[in-house]
Amino acid sequence: NAGVTQTPKFQVLKTGQSMTLQCAQDMNHEYMSWYRQDPGMGLRLIHYSVGAGITDQGEVPNGYNVSRSTTEDFPLRLLSAAPSQTSVYFCASRRQGSNTGELFFGEGSRLTVL
Amino acid sequence: AQSVTQLDSQVPVFEEAPVELRCNYSSSVSVYLFWYVQYPNQGLQLLLKYLSGSTLVKGINGFEAEFNKSQTSFHLRKPSVHISDTAEYFCAVTLFGGSQGNLIFGKGTKLSVKP
Repeated sequence: NAGVTQTPKFQVLKTGQSMTLQCAQDMNHEYMSWYRQDPGMGLRLIHYSVGAGITDQGEVPNGYNVSRSTTEDFPLRLLSAAPSQTSVYFCASRRQGSNTGELFFGEGSRLTVL
Repeated sequence: AQSVTQLDSQVPVFEEAPVELRCNYSSSVSVYLFWYVQYPNQGLQLLLKYLSGSTLVKGINGFEAEFNKSQTSFHLRKPSVHISDTAEYFCAVTLFGGSQGNLIFGKGTKLSVKP
């Protein structure tokens, strides 16, 4: 029972490099989201998706792209990494149709941009 | 728009003492409220949630929270903490009946339980 799986767990990038953080869930959840966690800032929503082919911006979307071609996968792309994107990134999912359902989190991806 | 304020960034407490972690929210419409816990180097997991009904909500690991609409608060309490409760706790809010169900998180409270 894998739940929400994020890869990689750790990554170091140089400014200007691009990369993709992978997120996969095996619970058939329609809703998926990406948050970033910074010290003293809590979790801030980057992008979310309510189903395959549907994505939308959250609170801090600049510098990030997402796509949702399947129910299971929701990758987060950094097109040109900046030091301000150094953070811990969490992917989360839940059933759609009710916002009272529990949000299930991955274990996080720690990204450092030099 | 909704917002969440966690009034204490750090709370040190001795083992077996009671603890209260404070959370206030701001919203012009009805909301659902949540508390999540994050143990070191892990993701977040749900402690408890308030949707409707009884204002006292019980969660896992002996935690409970009370919804107070007049004070727009949702404080988390435990009568006797253990070393294993050392973690960061996040209060979160989402719109009542909102279709997206995006959670807005507070900035977190680090609970440190000392022997």
